[in-house]
Amino acid sequence: DAGVTQSPTHLIKTRGQQVTLRCSPKSGHDTVSWYQQALGQGPQFIFQYYEEEERQRGNFPDRFSGHQFPNYSSELNVNALLLGDSALYLCASSFQSNEQFFGPGTRLTVL
Amino acid sequence: KQEVTQIPAALSVPEGENLVLNCSFTDSAIYNLQWFRQDPGKGLTSLLLIQSSQREQTSGRLNASLDKSSGRSTLYIAASQPGDSATYLCAGYSGNTPLVFGKGTRLSVIA
Repeated sequence: DAGVTQSPTHLIKTRGQQVTLRCSPKSGHDTVSWYQQALGQGPQFIFQYYEEEERQRGNFPDRFSGHQFPNYSSELNVNALLLGDSALYLCASSFQSNEQFFGPGTRLTVL
Repeated sequence: KQEVTQIPAALSVPEGENLVLNCSFTDSAIYNLQWFRQDPGKGLTSLLLIQSSQREQTSGRLNASLDKSSGRSTLYIAASQPGDSATYLCAGYSGNTPLVFGKGTRLSVIA
């Protein structure tokens, strides 16, 4: 059973560009959450998707948007990238908001 | 609003020592508490999940306890090994809120 997978592993973008990150949840999981982790900090909650709808959202601007597909996989989109968006982006999946399992993350560098 | 604090921020111990990592949270209505391990630049590995009705969980050399009345959780690592070197994060979940993380404790076990 594959765990949570994320792609790509690393990404380099320039300011003002747009980026799409992808996540496939653990088998049997229906809920996907996205987190941003800056260097030396704990992960910060961005939003959570359940049944293809955004169920909760953290304190992030509208430049951050997402989507969940019928197969429960999810995308995180960030528009108009800023230098401060450079971070490790983590995806977590769970079944009905129980124990969360995290993927390996996508390292985004904005130049 | 749930806030999670981890003390100490960093810890260095000789191999074989038993150690305790501390996590405190402000909202005693916590539903469950999860401990994670994170290697540099990597995703989070779930170590232990303590649910609301439980007081502790054990896995191998790891034991985590939860005291909701005092707002504290501890992670006990027995007979530490160099392979235990990593950052340890705790995160609390309060019903329909997302996971709230501490900043982590960076552990170094010296051979």
